[in-house]
Amino acid sequence: AQTVTQSQPEMSVQEAETVTLSCTYDTSENNYYLFWYKQPPSRQMILVIRQEAYKQQNATENRFSVNFQKAAKSFSLKISDSQLGDTAMYFCAFMANDMRFGAGTRLTVKP
Amino acid sequence: DAGVTQSPTHLIKTRGQQVTLRCSPISGHKSVSWYQQVLGQGPQFIFQYYEKEERGRGNFPDRFSARQFPNYSSELNVNALLLGDSALYLCASSLYGQAPAIYFGEGSWLTVV
Repeated sequence: AQTVTQSQPEMSVQEAETVTLSCTYDTSENNYYLFWYKQPPSRQMILVIRQEAYKQQNATENRFSVNFQKAAKSFSLKISDSQLGDTAMYFCAFMANDMRFGAGTRLTVKP
Repeated sequence: DAGVTQSPTHLIKTRGQQVTLRCSPISGHKSVSWYQQVLGQGPQFIFQYYEKEERGRGNFPDRFSARQFPNYSSELNVNALLLGDSALYLCASSLYGQAPAIYFGEGSWLTVV
């Protein structure tokens, strides 16, 4: 079975600082995709960043970057220069056939 | 371009009733998938449709069914509603079944009383 684990239910960070959210997954698949989604209070899931498992280079999108460790089955999200608008639930997701989500990490950015 | 649109946004149903939720994918996207998100949890996969055929089903009872139309829009039906079906139902679309980018709608809030 494919599972996604987010071990940090809640995190907080001061505005302009850097924070890292953790995610591990379990799979026997070799080809898959990994995602981080942001879910603000409006509840719409917003794609933050994605990573193809066959790519060794870590994905980067502006202030968001990942540390993808395929052998360790780890996929952490780093948010640099945190902004108040980054406050939201963050979900790590894995997709081989269907998409599986972790339980989420509630991130609060403090002024 | 319009994003993924879902309707209705909120609805209240009584136990035992039936509900139909609707989803229109992003223009050009041929795959639609449905997820249930209970408060405080991550979304759980229900169905995936691609080119009007069911391509995947999550661990949900037969009370849940779905279909995809020729214009790639989709409906999710839930029969014999239970209190535990109260959740946010999310629809997502992608170009094809395992596209590297999947976009979600704003969801339909279902409350069963």
